[in-house]
Parts: sequence; C-alpha cells; structure tokens
Amino acid sequence: DAMVIQNPRYQVTQFGKPVTLSCSQTLNHNVMYWYQQKSSQAPKLLFHYYDKDFNNEADTPDNFQSRRPNTSFCFLDIRSPGLGDAAMYLCATSFRTSGVGYTFGSGTRLTVV
Amino acid sequence: GNSVTQMEGPVTLSEEAFLTINCTYTATGYPSLFWYVQYPGEGLQLLLKATKADDKGSNKGFEATYRKETTSFHLEKGSVQVSDSAVYFCALRGTQGGSEKLVFGKGTKLTVNP
Repeated sequence: DAMVIQNPRYQVTQFGKPVTLSCSQTLNHNVMYWYQQKSSQAPKLLFHYYDKDFNNEADTPDNFQSRRPNTSFCFLDIRSPGLGDAAMYLCATSFRTSGVGYTFGSGTRLTVV
Repeated sequence: GNSVTQMEGPVTLSEEAFLTINCTYTATGYPSLFWYVQYPGEGLQLLLKATKADDKGSNKGFEATYRKETTSFHLEKGSVQVSDSAVYFCALRGTQGGSEKLVFGKGTKLTVNP
C-alpha cells in the first residue's frame, strides 16, 4: 500500500545532541510537511517542501532544519535539542491542490533527556 | 486569514450515544473541509472530507455536511463505540495563492465508555 513511513517511532536523545528524524513516501506527492505536536495540542507546522522549494514557517526556531534529497525522502534535523523540543513529530504529504487532504505518517515520539 | 474553531472537549459519552462535534470556519473563497482522527500514540488519519457547499462526507458511520451559509462542518455519528475514543480535528484547506496549507482546529478529545 502507498503510504508515509516515519522512522524511528520512538527516539531518545540527549540534551544538545543533534538528532535526525526521517520520513519516506510511496505516494509520489510533490509536497512534504513536518509538524510538531505537543500533548493535547493541534499539530504545528514547522516547514514544508514543494518539490525542492523549501518553505519555512515564520516562527520555526533556527534549531530546526530540513532536507529533501529526492521526492521520496525528507529529514528533520534538530541541531541542539532542548527539553522543550520533546514532542511528537509528524510528517505529512500531499499534492498541491486544495481539494486533497494530507496523508500523515505514524509520527516519531522524541524524548530529550 | 483562514481559521477553524471547534468545540472544546473533552467529550465523554456512553456507548451507543449520539455524537456531535461542532466546527465552524473562516476562509476566503471556497475551501475544502476535512475531519481527521488521531488515536493515542498515532498520527492523524483522514476520516472524511467535503470539497464544495452541500457536499456530505461520510466514513465509518461518521458524517459531516459542508454548510456555506453557516460556515460549518459539524461531525456527527448516530451511535458511538468504545473504539471511537480518540482526538478529532477539523481542518480546512484554502484555494487561493499561499493559502493551500491545511489549517487545524484545536482538536476535541472524545472518550466513549462501555
């Protein structure tokens, strides 16, 4: 089945130690998104790629970076994780048309110790 | 800008009760509307959608009708089950340049007791 896969499901990292989360898709969608979701809150968009065009949200901290080496893969890099960065990170994909919803992965739960 | 307002939870119901979760929106043009469901520890799953006025989206016994006159997209189910316990997010996706991003409501947590 075509899908969005996030690895790993659970990630524990040390305070200040760089960490990378990955997302892959078999849907051939041209847009890939990264969201941060904290407990009992709606997902918050960090950035997205439209093909190779990177679009950062205005309030996304510089500590968060992203790479999209090809259509299928997208990575979220957290350069120096703080305790406040502990959250669920969700990857989503879509075509760039309004009538189409996003397809989400199962998420990566990040713990910072 | 586009925005979504949904009823705050948590909502607690007994099995077989009727469910309504209210959702209203503000948007220019003719957005598409969605309901997503998130089970504990999981990502979001698309539950249903509607892309134009008077469309009714339905899935797994859930329904929602796109009402342009009241700018609403309320989620309903006639008889909830324990397995419906989850968080439900209403969302819209605009049509005009720069507004194609999905905008979420704050979510409503539903608990269904046996």
